[in-house]
Amino acid sequence: EIVMTQPPATLSVSPGERVTLSCRASQSVGINLAWYQQKRGQTPRLLIYGASIRATGIPARFSGSGSGTEFSLTITSLQSEDFAVYYCQQYNGWPPMNTFGQGTKLEFK
Amino acid sequence: QEQLVESGGGVVQPGKSLTLSCAASGFMFSDYAVHWVRQAPDKGLEWLAFMSYDGNSKIYADSVKGRFTISRDMPTNRLYLQMDGLRPEDTALYYCARVMAGSLRGAFDVWGRGTLVTVSS
Repeated sequence: EIVMTQPPATLSVSPGERVTLSCRASQSVGINLAWYQQKRGQTPRLLIYGASIRATGIPARFSGSGSGTEFSLTITSLQSEDFAVYYCQQYNGWPPMNTFGQGTKLEFK
Repeated sequence: QEQLVESGGGVVQPGKSLTLSCAASGFMFSDYAVHWVRQAPDKGLEWLAFMSYDGNSKIYADSVKGRFTISRDMPTNRLYLQMDGLRPEDTALYYCARVMAGSLRGAFDVWGRGTLVTVSS
């Protein structure tokens, strides 16, 4: 099983800041990597797939990069609605034995 | 509107069984691969099971392999998760999710709102 690691568990940030979230895979997943945003009490929302492709309707301030085992999600100029938990997910292999990272929570500094 | 709606959750005793259902609407269900994902209270997302668009391929997380069974019924546009030998640690909100169009595997672009399963004596 591929283990996804997302340090740190919580990140204290301020509106307007640029923030970069990290995700590491225990073995290469190519670019079969997605990022999701989940606000309290809500369903996860797809932000990025294919490591760097923004999903439909996702603002341009969200960008993803990386391949293999190291990935990042960058949010430029953090908005108040961006405070949430962010999960990375790998979907490599066939059949795809997906795994999620444990999530990084963005909180107000 | 593309939608997934889960049902079948509830309170169940340890060791018992429960079957969850996920009703798809607004899209051609038979064209999409689907998954089950769960989230324990105040915890992260845990992927559980995958089934291909045609039902011919499936795979499970180690934590539920041998206890949970994923299936789908094309005529009724429904996905199922049969859960046997339930344990207290299976207590969670259970989501079904759809893989993006054009992908045999891939990210999940449509999620249901979840159905809550509580395993307790």
